[in-house]
Amino acid sequence: AQTVTQSQPEMSVQEAETVTLSCTYDTSESNYYLFWYKQPPSRQMILVIRQEAYKQQNATENRFSVNFQKAAKSFSLKISDSQLGDTAMYFCAFIGDSNYQLIWGAGTKLIIKP
Amino acid sequence: GAVVSQHPSWVICKSGTSVKIECRSLDFQATTMFWYRQFPKQSLMLMATSNEGSKATYEQGVEKDKFLINHASLTLSTLTVTSAHPEDSSFYICSADASRIQETQYFGPGTRLLVL
Repeated sequence: AQTVTQSQPEMSVQEAETVTLSCTYDTSESNYYLFWYKQPPSRQMILVIRQEAYKQQNATENRFSVNFQKAAKSFSLKISDSQLGDTAMYFCAFIGDSNYQLIWGAGTKLIIKP
Repeated sequence: GAVVSQHPSWVICKSGTSVKIECRSLDFQATTMFWYRQFPKQSLMLMATSNEGSKATYEQGVEKDKFLINHASLTLSTLTVTSAHPEDSSFYICSADASRIQETQYFGPGTRLLVL
């Protein structure tokens, strides 16, 4: 079975600090995709960053970057220079080549304090 | 790009009525759309996968006669909650697959349904 685990239910940091959210997954598929989605209080689900498993280079999007460790099946999200607008639920998700279904982690509630 | 709209954003209805929720991909064609339900403080629960021009595929435990899905075009999918009851009150979110190659789903803003 494919699973995604987020072990941090809630985190809080001061504005401008760097924070890392952890995510591990389990799969037997050889090709797959990993995602971080953000869900702010508005509840709109927003794609933050995407990583293709066959790419060794870690994906980056401005202040957001991932540390993708394929052998360890780890996919952490680093947010640099955190801003108040980063306050949200963050979900790690996985999709394998064999089907369309996104497998979701339980989410991490991130609070950025002023 | 890759914008998905959902309408209505809020709906309050009486028990026994039917409610239709629309999901549209505004700037791309989506052969596949997904319908999710989200309970408070939980991640998304997939209800069904909607493919344009064919019947939807429902997840185990989701009543297909209760949650009718139609995907009539490459930019529109609808979810109809038939004979709604208070236990159907929830947050419903749709997503659209922007590209099979990218394997990425883009989400609508969601619909809050309250059944009285």
